[in-house]
Amino acid sequence: EPEVTQTPSHQVTQMGQEVILRCVPISNHLYFYWYRQILGQKVEFLVSFYNNEISEKSEIFDDQFSVERPDGSNFTLKIRSTKLEDSAMYFCASISPAISPGEQYFGPGTRLTVT
Amino acid sequence: RKEVEQDPGPFNVPEGATVAFNCTYSNSASQSFFWYRQDCRKEPKLLMSVYSSGNEDGRFTAQLNRASQYISLLIRDSKLSDSATYLCVVNGRDSSYKLIFGSGTRLLVRP
Repeated sequence: EPEVTQTPSHQVTQMGQEVILRCVPISNHLYFYWYRQILGQKVEFLVSFYNNEISEKSEIFDDQFSVERPDGSNFTLKIRSTKLEDSAMYFCASISPAISPGEQYFGPGTRLTVT
Repeated sequence: RKEVEQDPGPFNVPEGATVAFNCTYSNSASQSFFWYRQDCRKEPKLLMSVYSSGNEDGRFTAQLNRASQYISLLIRDSKLSDSATYLCVVNGRDSSYKLIFGSGTRLLVRP
């Protein structure tokens, strides 16, 4: 069964450093997402990406965040200058709306720890 | 008001019990409704979609009441492996198909 993959599984970084989280969505999917989940809290939408551009972003997704699909397979989330409050699980997801708009396939997540 | 509201639990039930979770959502324009399951420190996984007519998948039954903006999940004959957090999820009419999650209801099934 096809799956979304994410690397690394765990990233530890110092406050102020840049991090890049990587995802490989399912190959025939068209919409890509990043969500985050702070420990003990709910899953929160960050950004959606379609047709090589951001289709929607949340208030959390400020100027410190950016997304890219550099090569047609990878989908990356960059945090330019990490803060302590960026510590969370970051999940990538993808869908093919023609099949099912709500059945988002989630990757296993990257745990980001900012010290 | 929270967009999707759930009782956090935990619900602590014996094996074989029937347990019901409820959820309310605030945006009447929401179009699609789901229950996802999340195990500790893992990714959410789709359990089932929820339809107005109600739907059943084995031991799981989901109901939607659009007038009351209310969604439910019933689990019959609980198994130890059902222990997890159950996430009520909606998406709206917007073109991004983003998902809006509730905080989840934790279920513990004991032997």
